[in-house]
Amino acid sequence: GAVVSQHPSWVICKSGTSVKIECRSLDFQATTMFWYRQFPKQSLMLMATSNEGSKATYEQGVEKDKFLINHASLTLSTLTVTSAHPEDSSFYICSARDGGAGEGGYTFGSGTRLTVV
Amino acid sequence: AQSVTQLGSHVSVSEGALVLLRCNYSSSVPPYLFWYVQYPNQGLQLLLKYTSAATLVKGINGFEAEFKKSETSFHLTKPSAHMSDAAEYFCAVSGTGRRALTFGSGTRLQVQP
Repeated sequence: GAVVSQHPSWVICKSGTSVKIECRSLDFQATTMFWYRQFPKQSLMLMATSNEGSKATYEQGVEKDKFLINHASLTLSTLTVTSAHPEDSSFYICSARDGGAGEGGYTFGSGTRLTVV
Repeated sequence: AQSVTQLGSHVSVSEGALVLLRCNYSSSVPPYLFWYVQYPNQGLQLLLKYTSAATLVKGINGFEAEFKKSETSFHLTKPSAHMSDAAEYFCAVSGTGRRALTFGSGTRLQVQP
């Protein structure tokens, strides 16, 4: 089945530094990828939708200059948290849509636990 | 706009008992509905999905869900709970096209020995 690889699985960084999270579709082409954020004991909140070769579409309230999304190829999307602060600490999950799977072809990465100290 | 409501943030059952996790949806277009399971510090695993075919959908690990348009519901059931079923469960909805999934608030399932 479709597999999405997300790296790193966890990262600790110092306040003010930037962190890049990668999301790769391993056996299918993902024309659309989604980035979610999940706070402890809460649901997933959509941050942005990225389409290959075009600018990401950010949800209301998400700072596009802080959360940089790049979807340069059909198999790779990256999320860069710039100038990270402790309030950015969270669990980030990517999802890729397999257009060839018809409706309902969503696959999730294993998530990245970001801790900013 | 589409949304899902999960009734009950916590559900506790005994091992071997019936599992029933409730999900109601709201959608202005024919919905596609999903149930996912999440174990601590992990991503989401698809249990089952409804994409306008059979209204009774069978998934992995013995779970199933029934789409009831008249009740706008998509409840998840399993006849006999196992200890390994203890996890967080999310109901989600999507419309057509390349839209993202919208998730419910989640239900934490506890299984008592």
